[in-house]
Amino acid sequence: DIQMTQTPPSLSASVGDRASITCRASQSISDSLNWYQQKPGKAPKLLIYAASILQSGVPSRFSGSGSGTDFTLTISSLQREDFAIYYCQQSYTIPRTFGQGSKVE
Amino acid sequence: EVHLVESGGGLVKPGGSLRLSCAASGFTFSNYPMNWVRQAPGKGLEWVSSISSSSGYTYYGDSVKGRFTISRDNAKNSLYLQMNSLRAEDTAVYYCAREGMESGYDYLDYWGQGTLVTVSS
Repeated sequence: DIQMTQTPPSLSASVGDRASITCRASQSISDSLNWYQQKPGKAPKLLIYAASILQSGVPSRFSGSGSGTDFTLTISSLQREDFAIYYCQQSYTIPRTFGQGSKVE
Repeated sequence: EVHLVESGGGLVKPGGSLRLSCAASGFTFSNYPMNWVRQAPGKGLEWVSSISSSSGYTYYGDSVKGRFTISRDNAKNSLYLQMNSLRAEDTAVYYCAREGMESGYDYLDYWGQGTLVTVSS
């Protein structure tokens, strides 16, 4: 199975800050990488797919980059509603594995 | 508008069985693969299973293989997860999620609100 490792596990930031989360795959997954946002008590929400394509309706302050094994989710200017947990997920092969999550607080 | 509504969760004893359902609306259900993803209390997301649009292909995570069975009824716009031989570590919120696809990429673009399964004696 492909292991997905996110860093940092938690990130302390303020409104207006730039925040970045890294996701590393245990083997190359090309650009088959998705990012999700989850708020307490809610279902996850798709933010980015194919490593860098913004899902419809997602604010442009979110961006994704990377290919192969190393990927980054960047929030250019944190808004209050962005404080949440973020998960990466590889869609390269079965089983579809998630990272352990990164909390932005 | 796409809606996914899970049901069937509850308290079950170790070794017991439970069947989860997911009712879909707002899209052509038969065109999309579907997935189950779970989240243990206070933990991260774990992919559980997926099924192709026509039920021709099913896939499972190692932790549930041989115990869980995914199925769907396209005439009823419904997805199911039959869970047998349940263990304490299966305790989680179970989400159904639609698998979107574009240009060879797939992703989980719509999720239900989840249903809680608790396995305890």
